[in-house]
Amino acid sequence: DAMVIQNPRYQVTQFGKPVTLSCSQTLNHNVMYWYQQKSSQAPKLLFHYYDKDFNNEADTPDNFQSRRPNTSFCFLDIRSPGLGDAAMYLCATSRIISGPFPNEQFFGPGTRLTVL
Amino acid sequence: EDQVTQSPEALRLQEGESSSLNCSYTVSGLRGLFWYRQDPGKGPEFLFTLYSAGEEKEKERLKATLTKKESFLHITAPKPEDSATYLCAVQAVAGNQFYFGTGTSLTVIP
Repeated sequence: DAMVIQNPRYQVTQFGKPVTLSCSQTLNHNVMYWYQQKSSQAPKLLFHYYDKDFNNEADTPDNFQSRRPNTSFCFLDIRSPGLGDAAMYLCATSRIISGPFPNEQFFGPGTRLTVL
Repeated sequence: EDQVTQSPEALRLQEGESSSLNCSYTVSGLRGLFWYRQDPGKGPEFLFTLYSAGEEKEKERLKATLTKKESFLHITAPKPEDSATYLCAVQAVAGNQFYFGTGTSLTVIP
C-alpha cells in the first residue's frame, strides 16, 4: 500500500543535542510538509517542499531545518532542541497540481520527540 | 487572514446519540475543505474532501456537508470506536498550504 512512513516513532534527545527525523513516501507526491503538533493544538506548519523548492513559514525558528534529497525522502533537523520543542512531528504529502480542484494531504504516523 | 475555527472543543455523547461538529472558515478562495480523524499519539487519518457549497460526502456513520462559510460533520448513532479528535483543514486557491482548526475531541460513552 502506498503510504507515508516516519522514523523513528519515538525519539528521546537531550537539551541541545541535534536530532534528525525522517519521512519517506511511496505516493510519488510532489509536495512534502513538516508539521509540529503539541497536545490539544492544531498541527502547525513548519515548512514544505514543492518538488525541490523549499518554503519556510515566517514564524518557524532557525533551529529547524529541512532537507529533501529526492522525491521520496524528507528530513527534519533540529539543531539545538529546547524543552519547548518537545512535540509530535508530523510529515505529510500532497500531489499539488494546478487548477481549481482540491489536493488531499496524507499524513504519516508521526514522531513523538521528548527533550530531556 | 485565512482562519479555521472548530466547535465544540470537546463533545461527550452516549452511544447512539447523534450530533454534529462544526468547522467555520475564512479563506480567500476555497480550493478544498478536508476532515481528518486523529487518534491519540497517531497522525491524522484522511476522511473527506469537499469543495463546492452543497456538497455532501458519507462514510459509515459520518456525513460531511459544506456551505460557503462552514462545514458540518454529522455523526449518526455513534459507537465508542468513533471516539477521536476530528480535525478540519482548508486549502486556499493560492498557495500550497493547508490551514487547520484545533479540532473537536469526541468521546462516545458505551
